[in-house]
Amino acid sequence: GAVVSQHPSWVICKSGTSVKIECRSLDFQATTMFWYRQFPKQSLMLMATSNEGSKATYEQGVEKDKFLINHASLTLSTLTVTSAHPEDSSFYICSARDVTDTEAFFGQGTRLTVV
Amino acid sequence: GEDVEQSLFLSVREGDSSVINCTYTDSSSTYLYWYKQEPGAGLQLLTYIFSNMDMKQDQRLTVLLNKKDKHLSLRIADTQTGDSAIYFCAEDYQGGKLIFGQGTELSVKP
Repeated sequence: GAVVSQHPSWVICKSGTSVKIECRSLDFQATTMFWYRQFPKQSLMLMATSNEGSKATYEQGVEKDKFLINHASLTLSTLTVTSAHPEDSSFYICSARDVTDTEAFFGQGTRLTVV
Repeated sequence: GEDVEQSLFLSVREGDSSVINCTYTDSSSTYLYWYKQEPGAGLQLLTYIFSNMDMKQDQRLTVLLNKKDKHLSLRIADTQTGDSAIYFCAEDYQGGKLIFGQGTELSVKP
C-alpha cells in the first residue's frame, strides 16, 4: 500500500525553540494532507488541513501562528511548532489521501517533548 | 458537532472473537474506517467499508455497518496476543477529514 513517511519520529527541544516536522507521501501524490495531534491515552484530534499550493485550513481553537503548515509540493507537507512550550508536548501524526480518495494513509507519528 | 463514540476497553482470551463497537453521528459519511495503533506507533489502516455496504470480510476481520442506527463494529476472529492494541473507528467528514473515536484498548490474555 501507499506509504507516508514522517520525520523525525521523536524530538526533544528546549522551551522557546521551534521544531519542524515533515510528512512525505513516498509513492503517490497528495494534494491534501492532514495534521493530527494525540495526547496520551486520547484520540486523534484534527489540527489542520494542508492544501498544496494554498494556505492551510485550521480547526477551531488551533493557533495558526503557532502551528505553521507549509505544503509546497504534492509530496511534502511540513508542520512547524513555533516557540514551543511544554504544553505542546504531544504525538503529532500526519495523513495523506491518495488520488482515489478512499484511504487515508498515516505517517508513523512524531513524539515531541518540550523541556 | 460530529461525534464518534467507542467503548474504552475490551479484554478477551486468546482464540476468542473480539467485537469492538462504534457509533457515529454524520449520516453523510462515505467511508468508515478501522485503524490499529500499537504503543508509540502511528496508525495502521485495518479495513474500511463503504457506507452503502452492510458487511465486509477480510480474513479474520469482519466489519458490520448498520446505517440506520449509525453503528459500526469490528469483529476479530481467533484473537491473538499480537492483536493487543488500541483500535480506532473513524468516519470521513467534509472533504477528507477523519473524525476519530476515543479508541478501544484491546487486551488479549493468553
